[in-house]
Amino acid sequence: GAGVSQTPSNKVTEKGKYVELRCDPISGHTALYWYRQSLGQGPEFLIYFQGTGAADDSGLPNDRFFAVRPEGSVSTLKIQRTERGDSAVYLCASSNPWAGLGNEQFFGPGTRLTVL
Amino acid sequence: AQTVTQSQPEMSVQEAETVTLSCTYDTSENNYYLFWYKQPPSRQMILVIRQEAYKQQNATENRFSVNFQKAAKSFSLKISDSQLGDTAMYFCAFMKRYSGAGSYQLTFGKGTKLSVIP
Repeated sequence: GAGVSQTPSNKVTEKGKYVELRCDPISGHTALYWYRQSLGQGPEFLIYFQGTGAADDSGLPNDRFFAVRPEGSVSTLKIQRTERGDSAVYLCASSNPWAGLGNEQFFGPGTRLTVL
Repeated sequence: AQTVTQSQPEMSVQEAETVTLSCTYDTSENNYYLFWYKQPPSRQMILVIRQEAYKQQNATENRFSVNFQKAAKSFSLKISDSQLGDTAMYFCAFMKRYSGAGSYQLTFGKGTKLSVIP
């Protein structure tokens, strides 16, 4: 596709459940970022992939959060034992680090996660 | 670590008027980029304008321009001839300049909610 896509658009789950959020980056973009945006806040960095490997996961809040990118394209953010505090919009962005342009990141529309 | 501060939670402007959104940041980096992003209710984060810290000239993109004061670590956004479609959240963001392998995540401020009044 032309842009970054994320599915689902909205996800409602119950406390304690497991959820998976998917990001499909722009074709050819090797860098992929996940951010979390809580209500009334700016996005906060979670994890960065360069290719298949998680090059920087310093933003993951705890070990309930995990992300993969097995083939260097689509990425899945996984949250175990969800808590109400996990409710937020999860944004994905991709970039081509060698394209210049200040390593511009292109964002998807986000997944709004609501934990009841 | 970098921090970005936006001190105006909400602002409003009359259609066709000019408005300035403020942003300050703190960093020990010497080479970096600063960005303004627009986020309408659709949640899609849209890049408005970019400034490279090593360039003294302020960036402009049509009705959008910045006032970049590196010594003061200030990066304000001016929107001229405001239009109804400018209504959105605006986020100021910092990223260190690309210099090879490594993580180049964006650090965002808390945002300013701009309302353009007809």
